[in-house]
Amino acid sequence: SQTIHQWPATLVQPVGSPLSLECTVEGTSNPNLYWYRQAAGRGLQLLFYSVGIGQISSEVPQNLSASRPQDRQFILSSKKLLLSDSGFYLCAWSPPHSGANVLTFGAGSRLTVL
Amino acid sequence: DAKTTQPNSMESNEEEPVHLPCNHSTISGTDYIHWYRQLPSQGPEYVIHGLTSNVNNRMASLAIAEDRKSSTLILHRATLRDAAVYYCIEGNTGKLIFGQGTTLQVKP
Repeated sequence: SQTIHQWPATLVQPVGSPLSLECTVEGTSNPNLYWYRQAAGRGLQLLFYSVGIGQISSEVPQNLSASRPQDRQFILSSKKLLLSDSGFYLCAWSPPHSGANVLTFGAGSRLTVL
Repeated sequence: DAKTTQPNSMESNEEEPVHLPCNHSTISGTDYIHWYRQLPSQGPEYVIHGLTSNVNNRMASLAIAEDRKSSTLILHRATLRDAAVYYCIEGNTGKLIFGQGTTLQVKP
């Protein structure tokens, strides 16, 4: 069966510090991968999605970036965090070449920028 | 921006059916209708999806209008554990854009 892992689960970072959140998927090949962010009391905002290694689509211009160094690994990064980067970050995957594109989410990473 | 519209909130009594509506008037012929729900402090979980025909699974039923411009998620007997934010999304391959969803409160 397929599983998705995200880490760290929680982190507190000072403004201006770097960020790295990691997501890995097991039990499937060439998944579609996604990063969403949810600010406190808000809906989910799609940040990045990837349909293959090195193929990243950015949905929102910001100081965040994403990379997919391996087929089942998706990394969200920032060189300098802003206060507005605080939120609940969710990684998700969906099967490749699937018409319905059903998403499975990870448990999330809660980031607080102080 | 999200292409679906949902009521901000709804209330239900425990053990009664709940009908959660969603409008997707600009849906294309190949887009599926998805429903997810999110419990507090958790990631969203898949509930159900469909294209044209009504769908049933162990969690819920999905009723899709004949013109596909609206759909209704049906929880047959609400429990306290069904209290969550329910998201209706249209899409297929590539990105899925979430809206604000409907916050469902279930009263004992």
